Amino acid sequence: DSGVTQTPKHLITATGQRVTLRCSPRSGDLSVYWYQQSLDQGLQFLIQYYNGEERAKGNILERFSAQQFPDLHSELNLSSLELGDSALYFCASSALDSSGNTIYFGEGSWLTVV
Amino acid sequence: AQSVSQHNHHVILSEAASLELGCNYSYGGTVNLFWYVQYPGQHLQLLLKYFSGDPLVKGIKGFEAEFIKSKFSFNLRKPSVQWSDTAEYFCAVIAGGGADGLTFGKGTHLIIQP
Repeated sequence: DSGVTQTPKHLITATGQRVTLRCSPRSGDLSVYWYQQSLDQGLQFLIQYYNGEERAKGNILERFSAQQFPDLHSELNLSSLELGDSALYFCASSALDSSGNTIYFGEGSWLTVV
Repeated sequence: AQSVSQHNHHVILSEAASLELGCNYSYGGTVNLFWYVQYPGQHLQLLLKYFSGDPLVKGIKGFEAEFIKSKFSFNLRKPSVQWSDTAEYFCAVIAGGGADGLTFGKGTHLIIQP
């Protein structure tokens, strides 16, 4: 158990819908990261938040957004869902910023868009 | 931006064979390097990491990796594999100040035959 908690574990929704994935980082970790894992794209970095502020941005679509709340939990919002958005979405956390710190991953949220 | 290349997408070995998985990264400055393992149906787990110091790092489950700066490489090794090592292995890098987050290679699917 990495200490990073993600909900829901599985989610099935229809195209055009919007979903929210939730992540609680390890106790004391200030940084939260979101990754998308799919068969064709592999593991793609989406976005990082550090103590409530956006820190780094990767290959995140405009239909997707995220935020980190004062209690340090984070949510990833996926809207206007398409079939190609079906993937495993990982949240990860680290104590401080990414450089020089180990990043621990949650168990992921399986999203299926039908 | 940094990138990571894993040379072998699929590797099949027999139990007790020696393992070496290749990983090369592209970034000329300071890097943090990681190997993660993903067992079937599970989340990413950290095997080992290199931040600085001794370029030969030892991780969990008998794995080790050697950072060779001149070759931009961080190959993973294990002298004698077990059936339970069957999994997906990901090399990852954080470059510089971590502005691009943790970048993963495409992964190597390792199958150990009993």
